Amino acid sequence: KAGVTQTPRYLIKTRGQQVTLSCSPISGHRSVSWYQQTPGQGLQFLFEYFSETQRNKGNFPGRFSGRQFSNSRSEMNVSTLELGDSALYLCASSLGDSGYNEQFFGPGTRLTVL
Amino acid sequence: QQPVQSPQAVILREGEDAVINCSSSKALYSVHWYRQKHGEAPVFLMILLKGGEQKGHEKISASFNEKKQQSSLYLTASQLSYSGTYFCGTPSGNTGKLIFGQGTTLQVKP
Repeated sequence: KAGVTQTPRYLIKTRGQQVTLSCSPISGHRSVSWYQQTPGQGLQFLFEYFSETQRNKGNFPGRFSGRQFSNSRSEMNVSTLELGDSALYLCASSLGDSGYNEQFFGPGTRLTVL
Repeated sequence: QQPVQSPQAVILREGEDAVINCSSSKALYSVHWYRQKHGEAPVFLMILLKGGEQKGHEKISASFNEKKQQSSLYLTASQLSYSGTYFCGTPSGNTGKLIFGQGTTLQVKP
């Protein structure tokens, strides 16, 4: 079974630009969660989608948004990029949206904001 | 509320054992364990569920004390490949929103 895929793997943007990241979950998984990882803050939850509905949102500004499509693929968007948005963005897929389901991470997209 | 992991870092020789702990101030539905090697994504190791069920890595064992809201990961006869940062994650309520601990860095030396 193919794992979680994320595109692109690397991105370099400048302040003020916007960016869209994509995540394809494991086949059959309906839940996708997004996390931001930085050396200073660790792994932080961004949002979770299940069956095209946002189920949870983390403490991030409104510049961070996401969506999920009917095939469970998900995208996240960051507008008006700031230097502090430089991070590894990880998505994780899961069969369901409960705390009882394992989450499997993709390889991540490393975003650098200059 | 972020779970607290201890120790923050540990250095072992091959073949030695280690225990990594994860404590939460909130009641837990489950505890998830991941290992992340430098420059790579976190890899799922185990999930421990309320009621005693466990799913995951055959060569790694863990415990979950629901009353104490604690979990421990046991790495026995460590191998070089065990090196990395270990994270525990706890769900916010019974949801897919995982709150991760700050991580425990494990280094196994020959």
